[in-house]
Amino acid sequence: DVVMTQTPVSLPVSLGGQASISCRSSQSLVHSNGNTYLHWYLQKPGQSPQLLIYRVSNRFSGVPDRFSGSGSGTDFTLKISRVEPEDLGDYYCLQSTHFPPTFGGGTKLELK
Amino acid sequence: EVQLVESGGSLVQPGGSLKLSCVASGYTFSNYWMDWVRQTPGKSLEWIGEINTDGSKTNYAPSIKDRFTISRDNAKSTLYLQMSNVKSDDTAIYYCTRSTTDWGPGTMVTVSS
Repeated sequence: DVVMTQTPVSLPVSLGGQASISCRSSQSLVHSNGNTYLHWYLQKPGQSPQLLIYRVSNRFSGVPDRFSGSGSGTDFTLKISRVEPEDLGDYYCLQSTHFPPTFGGGTKLELK
Repeated sequence: EVQLVESGGSLVQPGGSLKLSCVASGYTFSNYWMDWVRQTPGKSLEWIGEINTDGSKTNYAPSIKDRFTISRDNAKSTLYLQMSNVKSDDTAIYYCTRSTTDWGPGTMVTVSS
C-alpha cells in the first residue's frame, strides 16, 4: 500500500495567521491517465471528514479561497491563510491513485 | 442537499456478525459509486471498499480479507456493509461515503466480549 506521511502531527496557530501542512507519499501519485489523485479533508470536532481540496489544488464547492493545495509527484502541501476558528480540527490527505486508497495520519490544527 | 445516514452500529462479540446500513437522499443514488471508510479510536482513517452503481462490482482493501461484503439496493437508496468474524481491531466509526466526496455522520461499532 502507498504510505502517506503527514507533517506536522500538531500545528499550533494564531487566529488570522497562516498554516502549512505537508503530505508525502511513498510513491508517485501521478496516475497513468496523467491526473494526480491527492485530496485534502478537514474533520471538525465531533463531525465526519469534509472534502476541502480534490486532485491536488481544486477547491470543493463552498470551500473558501483561504484554502489552497499544491504539489506534485510525492510532495503535497495544504495552506490555510487567515486562519479562522472554524478551521480548527484534524486535517487528512488521501491518495486514490493507487489501490487501495490510503489516508495520511492526520494533522491537528489548534490554537497557539 | 446530499444526505447519508448510517445505522446498525452496536456492541458485538469477537467472531460475531453485524450489518450496517446507509440511507442516501438528495441525489440519484443509482448514479454513484459508494464507499465505506472507517476511523479507529486512535483516529486513523482506513478505506474499506467500494461498490459500483448497479452493485455488480465491488473492491475491498486487502486488510479486510473477505470478512466484509458491500452491497446496495438502488430501489431503497441504501448501501450495506455486512461484517462477519469481527475482531477487536474492527472497533471503529464506520462512514458511508459517496465516492469519498460526501460523508455520513458515521455509526459506531465496538467489538468486545
